[in-house]
Amino acid sequence: DVVMTQTPLSLPVSLGDQASISCRSSQSLVHSNGNTYLHWYLQKPGQSPKLLIYKVSNRFSGVPDRFSGSGSGTDFTLKISRVEAEDLGVYYCCQGSHVPFTFGSGTKLEIK
Amino acid sequence: EVQLVESGGGLVKPGGSLKLSCAASGFTFSDYYMYWVRQTPEKRLEWVATISDGGSYTYYPDSVKGRFTISRDNAKNNLYLQMSSLKSEDTAMYYCARDVGLRLFAYWGQGTLVTVSA
Repeated sequence: DVVMTQTPLSLPVSLGDQASISCRSSQSLVHSNGNTYLHWYLQKPGQSPKLLIYKVSNRFSGVPDRFSGSGSGTDFTLKISRVEAEDLGVYYCCQGSHVPFTFGSGTKLEIK
Repeated sequence: EVQLVESGGGLVKPGGSLKLSCAASGFTFSDYYMYWVRQTPEKRLEWVATISDGGSYTYYPDSVKGRFTISRDNAKNNLYLQMSSLKSEDTAMYYCARDVGLRLFAYWGQGTLVTVSA
């Protein structure tokens, strides 16, 4: 199985700061069809996870442009340009390139 | 608006069985692959099962293969997960989720809690 390693586990930030979360996979996430199925989810307290970014760098419907994703191969990054209070929660990366689909362990974004 | 509403969770003894349901609305259910994903008490997320749009193809991780069965009724817009030989490590919140053709979980329900304990 592909192991997804997220860092840091906890990310204390001040509102308005930039935040960056790293996700590394144990093998390349380039699918045989050439696509890279690396996605990011946010789970706010008491809610189910919601899709933020799909295929590395594409924002899902309704996601603000302060969220951006980048990376390739095995190294990926989620950035939040100016953290707002509504962005707090746990961020998960997830790969869909290989079966079984696997998730990172999560990064908790919290107020400093 | 896409809506997914899970039901059927509860407390079950080790070795027991349980069937979860997910009622879908707001989209053409028969057009999409569907999934079950679970979140353990430690907040770890795990993919549990996939079913193709027509229901002909199903996929499972090794951790549940042979014990869980995903199915769907496209006429009723319902997704199911039959779980048997349950173990304590199956204790989790179970979510149904919908794809958009990109090998991901685009929409999630609110979840139904399954607790396996004697």
